[in-house]
Formats: sequence, C-alpha cells, structure tokens
Amino acid sequence: GQQVMQIPQYQHVQEGEDFTTYCNSSTTLSNIQWYKQRPGGHPVFLIQLVKSGEVKKQKRLTFQFGEAKKNSSLHITATQTTDVGTYFCAGALYNFNKFYFGSGTKLNVKP
Amino acid sequence: GAVVSQHPSWVICKSGTSVKIECRSLDFQATTMFWYRQFPKQSLMLMATSNEGSKATYEQGVEKDKFLINHASLTLSTLTVTSAHPEDSSFYICSARVGPHATNEQFFGPGTRLTVL
Repeated sequence: GQQVMQIPQYQHVQEGEDFTTYCNSSTTLSNIQWYKQRPGGHPVFLIQLVKSGEVKKQKRLTFQFGEAKKNSSLHITATQTTDVGTYFCAGALYNFNKFYFGSGTKLNVKP
Repeated sequence: GAVVSQHPSWVICKSGTSVKIECRSLDFQATTMFWYRQFPKQSLMLMATSNEGSKATYEQGVEKDKFLINHASLTLSTLTVTSAHPEDSSFYICSARVGPHATNEQFFGPGTRLTVL
C-alpha cells in the first residue's frame, strides 16, 4: 500500500505567489528526498534530508523534515514559470534501502 | 551529476511479444538499480530492486516472471517485459545508486515509454 502520502495533488498559482507541498508517512523515515519532474521528463533530484528537524534552502526553495521524521515540506517563495512541474517526495524506511515515492504535487504557475 | 541512460526511449510492440529495456550508468558503478513504472499523471511505483550479481527483489504485487530483471554488471541492468499486454503500457524508469545505503543519491534514467498494441 501507499507508504508516503503527499498533498495537495494539484496547485495552481499566479506567478509571484508562494507554494507549499506536504509529505506524510505513517512510519518514521530514515531520510527523505525531493524530486522535480517536468512534463515529459524524468525525476530530477533536488535535495535529501536526514536529520530530525532539518531545514535546507536552495535559493527560493525551503525544505523541512519534521521533528518526528514522519513529515516533510517543500516551500517555494515567489514562484516563477520555471517552477512548473510535479514535485515528488520519496521517503526511505529504516532497514529498507529503497525509496517510496509520494503521489506528487503538480504545480502550475500562471504568468 | 552522474548520468544514467535508458534504451530504448520508446517502444511499440504487439501483444504477446517480449520487450527488453536497458538501464546503464555511464560514468559510475551502480551497486544497486531500481525499476519504477509510472502511469500517466501518477507517481512512480517501485517495481523491484536490482543488485549486481544477485537476484532482484520484487515489490509486493509485481510478478517476477512477468518482469524479468537482470543486473549482470555494475553498469547495466535490464528489464524484460514478457508476453506484454496492453495493460503493461506505461512509462518505465530506472534509477542507479552508487552505494548500498538509502542515503546514497540515486540518479534516474530518462525513461522508456512502452506501448503494447
């Protein structure tokens, strides 16, 4: 069954607005990765979070890993049309050296 | 970053035939490769984990006799869809990981779009 849940499924924003996608797991994750997939493309690695409560930033993107290591979020500040795509989280369970992908959040940015 | 290639990028076949998809790590050795399938507008579903020199580990619900995986070398894994049927039509993506741990980054291939008529 689905190990990692992700919301929302879709998000339409006006260029310049902020965007957040959330990832939740019923079990504690050893680490979590975030990917971006453009239409017709393959997933591209964005970042990995390992520590409880970890926060990482990449320019306008802020990634957080929850204290309990069961949830994570990706926040984009002042979206641009180049941010369009589907964002996936992928969580790894302890003792399982593989990732389970969330359902993804498709972001559409209107210019 | 590391490069992973897949071949072919797309294939159309008749129902009942078998199709082989190759996944290669071009500039690094991958101890582990993963095979995913992705239906339109859906997420990536892990099919199996492939370790070089050993049998692949399949996820629950994935038929190992239907989807044959061979990881003959540290740079090549193949997925063969046997006796393909229209419901096998999907986007198949592989990824390759440098080390054995989940914290090691995995690099994705560009995917193979399979259409079974």
